[in-house]
Amino acid sequence: AQTVTQSQPEMSVQEAETVTLSCTYDTSESNYYLFWYKQPPSRQMILVIRQEAYKQQNATENRFSVNFQKAAKSFSLKISDSQLGDTAMYFCAFMELKTKLTFGGGTRLMVKP
Amino acid sequence: DAGVIQSPRHEVTEMGQEVTLRCKPISGHDYLFWYRQTMMRGLELLIYFNNNVPIDDSGMPEDRFSAKMPNASFSTLKIQPSEPRDSAVYFCASSWGGRNEQFFGPGTRLTVL
Repeated sequence: AQTVTQSQPEMSVQEAETVTLSCTYDTSESNYYLFWYKQPPSRQMILVIRQEAYKQQNATENRFSVNFQKAAKSFSLKISDSQLGDTAMYFCAFMELKTKLTFGGGTRLMVKP
Repeated sequence: DAGVIQSPRHEVTEMGQEVTLRCKPISGHDYLFWYRQTMMRGLELLIYFNNNVPIDDSGMPEDRFSAKMPNASFSTLKIQPSEPRDSAVYFCASSWGGRNEQFFGPGTRLTVL
């Protein structure tokens, strides 16, 4: 069974600075997808970024980028120029080809003014 | 587009009562997922449907839980009888094609007293 581990239960960062959230996963699959979801206090789950395992290029979405290390089974999220609205729980998720999403335990990020 | 719609947003009930949670997926999406979020277990997939047919219900905790999708625009998750340990936030999500982004509804917070 696939497992997803987020080793940082809580993190904080000053507004405008950069923060990196860690995620590791375990799988025997070679083709899969990885996601980062954001869950603000409203509890709505919002997709932040997505990475296909067959793509070597790291995905980027504006201030959000990932460092995907397939051999190490690592998928970290970098948030640049942190904003107060980035305060939320962040979940790393793994999707095998059979559609099922497996989530990590989450990292609570606090952006301080 | 209205997004995934869930009702009710909050439900408080007493142990032993029947609870029905409802979901309307995004029009045109052919996959529908039910997740449960708790502090202890995080986000777990309960069941998912493809073209209204249940594909994998291995995450359904026990026979007290049942889910149906009578048509492409409506799904229910029923708990009968409910127990205090069922208290959680229940999310419905939908996607087009199993490997694409899953769009989440706002969730239903269930409290069983």
